[in-house]
Amino acid sequence: EIVLTQFPGTLSLSPGERATLSCRASQSVTSDYLAWYQQKPGQAPRLLIYGASSRATGIPDRFSAGGSGTDFTLTISRLEPEDFAVYYCQQYGSSPLYSFGQGTKLEIK
Amino acid sequence: EVQLVQSGAEVKKPGESLKISCKASGYSFNRHWIGWVRQMPGKGLEWLGIIYPGDSDTTYSPSFQGQVIISADKSISTTYLQLSSLKASDSAMYYCAKRTLEFAFDTWGQGTLVTVS
Repeated sequence: EIVLTQFPGTLSLSPGERATLSCRASQSVTSDYLAWYQQKPGQAPRLLIYGASSRATGIPDRFSAGGSGTDFTLTISRLEPEDFAVYYCQQYGSSPLYSFGQGTKLEIK
Repeated sequence: EVQLVQSGAEVKKPGESLKISCKASGYSFNRHWIGWVRQMPGKGLEWLGIIYPGDSDTTYSPSFQGQVIISADKSISTTYLQLSSLKASDSAMYYCAKRTLEFAFDTWGQGTLVTVS
């Protein structure tokens, strides 16, 4: 069973700073099938990135992502106040067929 | 506009059953997989299962196989998540989400809060 581990668990930064979030898989993930989501309190998750590096419709270009194999990264170049939220990575392909990381909370320092 | 609209919050007693609905609009319902995701209070996202409405092909997470039933009614563009023999530990927010060709979930329902008490 594949396990996605996200780190850090909590990231404390200030607006304008750069955020780097990591997602590590216990076994190799096909890059085409790695996605990132943002979830704010009281809201459903929102798709940010699919295919490891492609931004979803309407996602600002300050969000970028990459990686391959077992290590993937989501970067937010200059944090805006609305970016403080919980971020999840998600994979498709290994048992279970879909799975999510445990999340990284990005909080205001 | 692509939308998934879920049924409202539910309060149930232990041992009861529940069926949550997720109505789709704005796209070809039969041609896109719909997944279900659980989020327990203060916790992360857990994938429960997924259905292809076109032929009701369904796959469940091994962790939830036998605990949930996912179905679809093409005539009304609606998928369902059924939970039975509810326990307090089933209390959670349940989301439906439309899957893309790239195996990500690009449209989410607003969530259905289930409280078992």
